[in-house]
Amino acid sequence: EVQLVESGGGLVQPGGSLRLSCAASGFTLSSYWMHWVRQAPGKGLVWVSRINSDGSSTSYADSVKGRFTISRDNAKNTLFLQMNSLRAEDTAVYYCARGHIMDVWGQGTTVTVSS
Amino acid sequence: QSALTQPASVSGSPGQSITISCTGTSSDVGSSILVSWYQQHPDKAPKLLIYEGSKRPSGVSNRFSVSKSGNTASLTISGLQAEDEADYYCCSFATSLVFGTGTKVTVL
Repeated sequence: EVQLVESGGGLVQPGGSLRLSCAASGFTLSSYWMHWVRQAPGKGLVWVSRINSDGSSTSYADSVKGRFTISRDNAKNTLFLQMNSLRAEDTAVYYCARGHIMDVWGQGTTVTVSS
Repeated sequence: QSALTQPASVSGSPGQSITISCTGTSSDVGSSILVSWYQQHPDKAPKLLIYEGSKRPSGVSNRFSVSKSGNTASLTISGLQAEDEADYYCCSFATSLVFGTGTKVTVL
């Protein structure tokens, strides 16, 4: 079964850091670009970042540029999102999604930034 | 980049057709074939409905169809069913990916 499973979310204080993981199974991660998308409570979907298949090219939304870093370990079939200098407005469910068409999504992991 | 504009809500009775608009600019929706649509039920992950303008993934009903005119893309749901009650998002690529503001579909 093709599946993405996110982990690493939790409660963190403003200014803190978290590292999200997205484990892929049922397909070869190295064949796909990957994205992170977030959804604040009661709000819409917002694209966060993407990475190409071999990790040599990345792109970020302006709201996270310089604070978040997307990376991947194709050997371990895992995608990552390192989040630094977290702010209250980063509070959201974070989803990883497969490919340029985002045809497979994980169940999401919740990040809460609060003191 | 600003979110694409969608109506906040659309409703219809079972069996009816409804249309959700997605308005952007000549830099995104107007110039891109890479418009996609996603369906999201409450507390669930989004699901891909339409990609690359008009293609449907395997398993997606042909009751979902799309059109585009200028800077506006539209999703039509025909033969509305109770299970179609969900949030719907468009998505386009310009200099980066941008989602629409989302539309809540209610089946009366």
